[in-house]
Amino acid sequence: GAGVSQSPRYKVTKRGQDVALRCDPISGHVSLYWYRQALGQGPEFLTYFNYEAQQDKSGLPNDRFSAERPEGSISTLTIQRTEQRDSAMYRCASTKDILTYNEQFFGPGTRLTVL
Amino acid sequence: AQSVTQLDSHVSVSEGTPVLLRCNYSSSYSPSLFWYVQHPNKGLQLLLKYTSAATLVKGINGFEAEFKKSETSFHLTKPSAHMSDAAEYFCVVSDQASNFGNEKLTFGTGTRLTIIP
Repeated sequence: GAGVSQSPRYKVTKRGQDVALRCDPISGHVSLYWYRQALGQGPEFLTYFNYEAQQDKSGLPNDRFSAERPEGSISTLTIQRTEQRDSAMYRCASTKDILTYNEQFFGPGTRLTVL
Repeated sequence: AQSVTQLDSHVSVSEGTPVLLRCNYSSSYSPSLFWYVQHPNKGLQLLLKYTSAATLVKGINGFEAEFKKSETSFHLTKPSAHMSDAAEYFCVVSDQASNFGNEKLTFGTGTRLTIIP
């Protein structure tokens, strides 16, 4: 497809389980960003990659959250030992190259619900 | 740290009337500002961006925004609302993430726009 895709679109899990959220950026896009959006709020930055290198993970809330992009394309955000407070929409975005003011193209998001 | 404040969580206008969505920003230097729109079950889409060029910025679908440094505002306007404009709108400020040039976007809390037929 032409846009950013994310899977699954919806994920329901029980507290304590691990989840993996996938982001497939636009083909050839260099930079990839993860955001988390709580209900009624705007998205909040989590982390980003240039190619396969994770450049900034200052937004990850704690060490249960991790992300990787091993081949500089698809990225996975993993949440270990999920808690109810992790319930949110997780959004991924990509940009064509590493330039300031580059438009971030967003995917449709993964809605995570932790019971 | 930079931030934006969206002054209205919900705005309702009649179809064909003007739209005004308000945003104020806080920044220690000249910021880059954006408006994104989110339609139900879809990803966020860039409407327009201000990057220290012209203070009046025109975007897609007839929207425009004016950067006013003296008022620290970046309000979004449209002369005539259309039913398809119903969505959530986010005012966004960017913070340069690193020497690489990447940007970390800081979003406002959003304004839900309802269009009355």
